[in-house]
Amino acid sequence: NAGVTQTPKFRVLKTGQSMTLLCAQDMNHEYMYWYRQDPGMGLRLIHYSVGEGTTAKGEVPDGYNVSRLKKQNFLLGLESAAPSQTSVYFCASRGIWTARSADTQYFGPGTRLTVL
Amino acid sequence: AQKITQTQPGMFVQEKEAVTLDCTYDTSDPSYGLFWYKQPSSGEMIFLIYQGSYDQQNATEGRYSLNFQKARKSANLVISASQLGDSAMYFCAMREGDNTDKLIFGTGTRLQVFP
Repeated sequence: NAGVTQTPKFRVLKTGQSMTLLCAQDMNHEYMYWYRQDPGMGLRLIHYSVGEGTTAKGEVPDGYNVSRLKKQNFLLGLESAAPSQTSVYFCASRGIWTARSADTQYFGPGTRLTVL
Repeated sequence: AQKITQTQPGMFVQEKEAVTLDCTYDTSDPSYGLFWYKQPSSGEMIFLIYQGSYDQQNATEGRYSLNFQKARKSANLVISASQLGDSAMYFCAMREGDNTDKLIFGTGTRLQVFP
């Protein structure tokens, strides 16, 4: 059981380049999320999805787009990368509410992105 | 105003001792959830423990317990019998309200366990 996986693990881009980060989960979770983590700022929500074919904006959505064409995958795209998007990106997913785990989100290992 | 505040940037504890990591939160919503995550140097975020705002008892998960003081709006993480492998960053997070998927994270506390 792989849980939540992210590809790639590392990437270096030049300003203006585009790329897509892939998140995959094998837990049949409905909800998926993309966060960014910057030094001293904790994690901030970029976009999220409450089900296949749906997406919604989070706290810091500008400069990013997402798609959820399949339930198990959630893609994060950068159309024109900027140095301010240098960060560590985390994907997370969660299932339905249970008494024990409630709405706990489970995270992938992260993608370290550097934009020069 | 900060929604989640972790005032301890770094903490040290000796192996086998207990340690408390502080977390205070700010919300006017009566329904919320509080989470603690561990982030080791390898970078992944590992869920540790959850406390719901209506839960009557403090949550416990093995060596982790959450000292939930609702009136003081604090949700401190207590790690008993610290182990060297507990050295990591620890993040407190809150889900505010019932109709949101947004988790608000604190800035984290770096815990170092020494022999």
